[in-house]
Amino acid sequence: DQQVKQNSPSLSVQEGRISILNCDYTNSMFDYFLWYKKYPAEGPTFLISISSIKDKNEDGRFTVFLNKSAKHLSLHIVPSQPGDSAVYFCAYDSGNTPLVFGKGTRLSVIA
Amino acid sequence: NAGVTQTPKFRILKIGQSMTLQCAQDMNHNYMYWYRQDPGMGLKLIYYSVGAGITDKGEVPNGYNVSRSTTEDFPLRLELAAPSQTSVYFCASSYGWAGELFFGEGSRLTVL
Repeated sequence: DQQVKQNSPSLSVQEGRISILNCDYTNSMFDYFLWYKKYPAEGPTFLISISSIKDKNEDGRFTVFLNKSAKHLSLHIVPSQPGDSAVYFCAYDSGNTPLVFGKGTRLSVIA
Repeated sequence: NAGVTQTPKFRILKIGQSMTLQCAQDMNHNYMYWYRQDPGMGLKLIYYSVGAGITDKGEVPNGYNVSRSTTEDFPLRLELAAPSQTSVYFCASSYGWAGELFFGEGSRLTVL
């Protein structure tokens, strides 16, 4: 079974700097990875995804990088803003089973 | 645009009580899911459904039941509530397996 691991429970970054959130996965099935963002008292919302045939996907201030040899993906937020403070989940999408989520990383962007 | 609607938002139960968490979506999605989020533990799948009349267990189904009589509704039943079921419950829906899930705002349940 695919597992996704977010080993950093929290991250603090100064406003305007880069935030880098990391996620590792366990097997080499090639499908999709997604990032979700969750504010307190709200449900998670989709942020950005990447297909395993790509190395990078960019959407405005958000870029996801996929390193298949290291089984690692990362979400870069540049520049970080106070409104980016939230919990970020990475998720694995096999295309034929429900999403598998990591434990999440709480990002705090300090003004 | 209601999206995914969950009720109630908050509930306190006594040990041994039962209740149903309601979930409705108006996007005509075939796929619906129930997740629970415990502090520091991410989102764990309880049950899911790929269409009316079809349900299947997820990672943590014990103590819960679901039904899917319509495309729109996917209620989650807790029987004999236990303190271990204290959590925030999220219902979600999607058009298919792949891609974006749409989540409700969550239902915070406390069992005392």
